[in-house]
Amino acid sequence: EPEVTQTPSHQVTQMGQEVILRCVPISNHLYFYWYRQILGQKVEFLVSFYNNEISEKSEIFDDQFSVERPDGSNFTLKIRSTKLEDSAMYFCASSTEQDTQYFGPGTRLTVL
Amino acid sequence: KQEVTQIPAALSVPEGENLVLNCSFTDSAIYNLQWFRQDPGKGLTSLLLIQSSQREQTSGRLNASLDKSSGRSTLYIAASQPGDSATYLCAVKTASGGSYIPTFGRGTSLIVHP
Repeated sequence: EPEVTQTPSHQVTQMGQEVILRCVPISNHLYFYWYRQILGQKVEFLVSFYNNEISEKSEIFDDQFSVERPDGSNFTLKIRSTKLEDSAMYFCASSTEQDTQYFGPGTRLTVL
Repeated sequence: KQEVTQIPAALSVPEGENLVLNCSFTDSAIYNLQWFRQDPGKGLTSLLLIQSSQREQTSGRLNASLDKSSGRSTLYIAASQPGDSATYLCAVKTASGGSYIPTFGRGTSLIVHP
């Protein structure tokens, strides 16, 4: 069964450094999403992406964040200058149309 | 702003019981509602998706209902098993001004003991 994959599973970085989180969505899906979950908190929507552009973004998704689909398979989330409060699990998801979303296993980001 | 509340926050039951998990939302202008399970340290697994025009969806031992007018959804789990132990999340995609932002509840942590 096709699945969403994410790399790395765990990323440790120093405050102020740039990180890129990578996702490979399910191949025939057209909609891509990033979410984050701070430890013990709710899952929070960051951004959705369709047809090579951002379709929705939340208040969390400020200028420090960007997304890109650099080729036909990868979908990336870049955080330009990480802060301590960016420490969280980051989940990528994909879907067909506005339909059931399939989530990846997540990347745990730790900012020191 | 959409608010999603899940009750109870935690539930511990013996195997075999039928369960009802509740999700309520404040803005009834929803596009769809999705139930997920999340195992510790893992990603989310989609269980059921209910479109705004639907009243319920069923998959195996799971049944989810939606009442938009009262802002509620319930997830019914029949004949619970230890493998059902997980956190169950409700996510509401709100259709507001052409925007479709999903909002999650905090979840119900379920333990089914043998």
